[in-house]
Amino acid sequence: EPEVTQTPSHQVTQMGQEVILRCVPISNHLYFYWYRQILGQKVEFLVSFYNNEISEKSEIFDDQFSVERPDGSNFTLKIRSTKLEDSAMYFCASRLPGQGINEQYFGPGTRLTVT
Amino acid sequence: AQSVTQPDIHITVSEGASLELRCNYSYGATPYLFWYVQSPGQGLQLLLKYFSGDTLVQGIKGFEAEFKRSQSSFNLRKPSVHWSDAAEYFCAVDSGGYNKLIFGAGTRLAVHP
Repeated sequence: EPEVTQTPSHQVTQMGQEVILRCVPISNHLYFYWYRQILGQKVEFLVSFYNNEISEKSEIFDDQFSVERPDGSNFTLKIRSTKLEDSAMYFCASRLPGQGINEQYFGPGTRLTVT
Repeated sequence: AQSVTQPDIHITVSEGASLELRCNYSYGATPYLFWYVQSPGQGLQLLLKYFSGDTLVQGIKGFEAEFKRSQSSFNLRKPSVHWSDAAEYFCAVDSGGYNKLIFGAGTRLAVHP
């Protein structure tokens, strides 16, 4: 069964450094998402991406964040200058195209630790 | 604004006992509702979904959920819990538009032998 994959599984970085989290969505999906989950808290929406542009973003997704689909398969989340409060599990998700409701398929997540 | 409330932060049940996890939503239109499960250190796995039609939906691993519009609820149930069901369970509503999911705070389930 096709699945969403994410790399790395765990990333440790120092405050102020740039990080790039990578995701490979399911191949025929066209809607892509990033969510994050701070330890012990709920899963929060960050951004949705469709047709090579951001379709919606939350207030969390400020200028320090960016997303990109650099080729036909990868979907990346970049944090330019990490802060301690960016420490969280980051989940990528994708879903089928078209109107109507289809479920989102989640990757296993990348645990980001900022020291 | 859309929101999801899971009133129970922690629930402990004995193996073999029945389970009900509560979820209440706030959404102006017809909601599209999901339950996801997250095992320790793992990602989110879809248990079941409600889009329309029959208000009692069946999912994987023997779970079911019932949509009750009058109560704005979508409670998850299982008649007999197994030790492997210990995990965190998240209820979510699809927000429409580009379909971001809005999650509840989660319910952590512990199963005693």
